[in-house]
Amino acid sequence: AQSVAQPEDQVNVAEGNPLTVKCTYSVSGNPYLFWYVQYPNRGLQFLLKYITGDNLVKGSYGFEAEFNKSQTSFHLKKPSALVSDSALYFCAVRVSGSARQLTFGSGTQLTVLP
Amino acid sequence: EPEVTQTPSHQVTQMGQEVILRCVPISNHLYFYWYRQILGQKVEFLVSFYNNEISEKSEIFDDQFSVERPDGSNFTLKIRSTKLEDSAMYFCASRSDRGKSSYNEQFFGPGTRLTVL
Repeated sequence: AQSVAQPEDQVNVAEGNPLTVKCTYSVSGNPYLFWYVQYPNRGLQFLLKYITGDNLVKGSYGFEAEFNKSQTSFHLKKPSALVSDSALYFCAVRVSGSARQLTFGSGTQLTVLP
Repeated sequence: EPEVTQTPSHQVTQMGQEVILRCVPISNHLYFYWYRQILGQKVEFLVSFYNNEISEKSEIFDDQFSVERPDGSNFTLKIRSTKLEDSAMYFCASRSDRGKSSYNEQFFGPGTRLTVL
């Protein structure tokens, strides 16, 4: 079975400061990891993914994430937060070579304060 | 930019009634999915569909649920006899089979909020 944990329901950060949204995963096999963002009344928008290769992946809107195999983590980061980054962020995982469906974390509400 | 669309955005129904949620995936995508999110809970996988048949389904996807691709563009989720606990946001997603298809991400629609009274 595969699972994802997002330990923080809420993250608050001041505009211009760096932000981190945490994610850890558990799979039996090689993980494919994803971050999605959800704005109010909108669907899930894809931000970035880790499949293979470099542990640091860059995505949309200046976001990046670092895959850490030993810590089974895939934290989302941005060097300088914007008020417009305020949204609900979901980490998701699936296992390579098998089931294609995503398993999601519970989500983290990011609020960037002006 | 192409996107997944879903209709209606909000559906209210009485318990025991049938509902059909509609999705138009991105046009060149061949993998289709339904997920749901009960208020305040995680997004949960329901079913995946490829080559005109179900690929995988979760325990949630019981005999009350069915999916169909009635034409070349729509992908529907039917709930035969709705229950109160079916109230949730239902998301459709699609994925391309181009290149190394297993690496491709899923694109999600805006969701249909189903309220069962």
